[in-house]
Amino acid sequence: EIVLTQSPATLSLSPGERATLSCGASQSVSSSSLAWYQQKPGLAPRLLIYDASTRATGIPDRFSGSGYGTDFTLTISRLEPEDFAVYYCQQYGRSPRTFGQGTKVEIK
Amino acid sequence: QVQLVQSGAEVREPGASVKVSCKASGYTFTNYGISWVRQAPGQGLEWMGWISDYNGNTNYAQKVQGRLTMTTDRSTSTAYMELRSLRSDDTAVYYCARAPEGYFDWSTPDEYWGQGTLVTVSS
Repeated sequence: EIVLTQSPATLSLSPGERATLSCGASQSVSSSSLAWYQQKPGLAPRLLIYDASTRATGIPDRFSGSGYGTDFTLTISRLEPEDFAVYYCQQYGRSPRTFGQGTKVEIK
Repeated sequence: QVQLVQSGAEVREPGASVKVSCKASGYTFTNYGISWVRQAPGQGLEWMGWISDYNGNTNYAQKVQGRLTMTTDRSTSTAYMELRSLRSDDTAVYYCARAPEGYFDWSTPDEYWGQGTLVTVSS
């Protein structure tokens, strides 16, 4: 199975700052089948980005995704208070779908 | 609007089985498969599998294959996830989820999520 490794584990930033989250895959992710989710405590995950760079419905344009092959990035251009959460990457191009272990974006 | 509403929390003893339901509304149920994802307390997300009501196709994660059965009931637009021979490490919140518009097969992300069902396995 494809193993996804996210870095850093925790990102401590202030509102207004730029956040850059990384997701590395153990094998090439086919057709850029890579998604990013946001999860807040007690809630279901929320799809932010799919196909590596397509924003899901209703997602603000401060969220952007990039990358291909084995290296992917989620960028939050200017952190809003509601953006502090855990973020997961997921590949869905090869079975089984797999998730990274998550990056927590916390308030500095 | 697309909605997925799951059944309530369950408590089971080790070795027992649990069946969680996920009732869909707001779209044509047979057009989209349903995924199941679980999350153990304080841990990350784990994909368990996917089922299509259209043709009955399933795709299970190897880790739970043999203990897991996913089914659908087209008449009620409901998907089910049954996990057998429960162990303490099956304690988790179980989510059902659906792909974005226009993504019909198993190799898709999940845009619409149920509220989650806590399954606790304890003696």
